[in-house]
Amino acid sequence: AQSVTQLDSHVSVSEGTPVLLRCNYSSSYSPSLFWYVQHPNKGLQLLLKYTSAATLVKGINGFEAEFKKSETSFHLTKPSAHMSDAAEYFCVVSVGFGNEKLTFGTGTRLTIIP
Amino acid sequence: DAGVIQSPRHEVTEMGQEVTLRCKPISGHDYLFWYRQTMMRGLELLIYFNNNVPIDDSGMPEDRFSAKMPNASFSTLKIQPSEPRDSAVYFCASSRLGGVGEAFFGQGTRLTVV
Repeated sequence: AQSVTQLDSHVSVSEGTPVLLRCNYSSSYSPSLFWYVQHPNKGLQLLLKYTSAATLVKGINGFEAEFKKSETSFHLTKPSAHMSDAAEYFCVVSVGFGNEKLTFGTGTRLTIIP
Repeated sequence: DAGVIQSPRHEVTEMGQEVTLRCKPISGHDYLFWYRQTMMRGLELLIYFNNNVPIDDSGMPEDRFSAKMPNASFSTLKIQPSEPRDSAVYFCASSRLGGVGEAFFGQGTRLTVV
C-alpha cells in the first residue's frame, strides 16, 4: 500500500523568503508523486508531478520538487514566497497503471507574513 | 473546455433527506473520482470509475452512499438518508491517464446536513 506523510501541518514564512514543504512517501512500487494546491473555498489544482523522468520537477508559479528515492522524500520548494502562495498544499502518491487510486497527505497550510 | 463541473455548489438539507450531487467530467477523460473532504479526515477517495464502470468503491462509507455513471459525461453521488456526519465538501475529479495523469478537480459541493 502507498502513503504519504506531510511533516508539517502549518508553515509560516515571510514574503520574499524561501518556502519548504516536506513530504515523505511510502510505496511498494515506483510511485508517481504530485503536489496539489487548494486556495480557500476552491478546488484543487496540480502544481507539479513526478512520473519517473527527471528527479527535479518544475511546476507552476515558481515551485519545484525533488524526488529522492534514498530518502523517500518529495519536498516542495520555492525560492521566494509571494502573498498569493498562501493556501493548503497536498502531497499525493499513486502507483500508476493498475492502481489509479490517488492517496492524499493530510495537507500543509502555508501562511505568508507580509 | 469548462473544466469539471459540479452542482450544486452548496446544499443544505435536513437529516433523513435524500441528497444527489452531480458531476460533469472533462470531455475525453475516462477516469472519474469522487472525494470527500472534512477537517477531521482530510481528503478521502470514495469511489472511482473507468470508462463509466465503478472500479474501486472501498471508500464509500456506508450503504447510504451510492454512485452512478450512466454515461461518459455525467456522474451522480447519492446519499439516502443523509445524516449530520455527512456534512463535508465533496469533490469530483477526472483524468485521462488515471493514476499517472493530472486529475482535474471541480469546485466542490459543500453539503450541510442539519
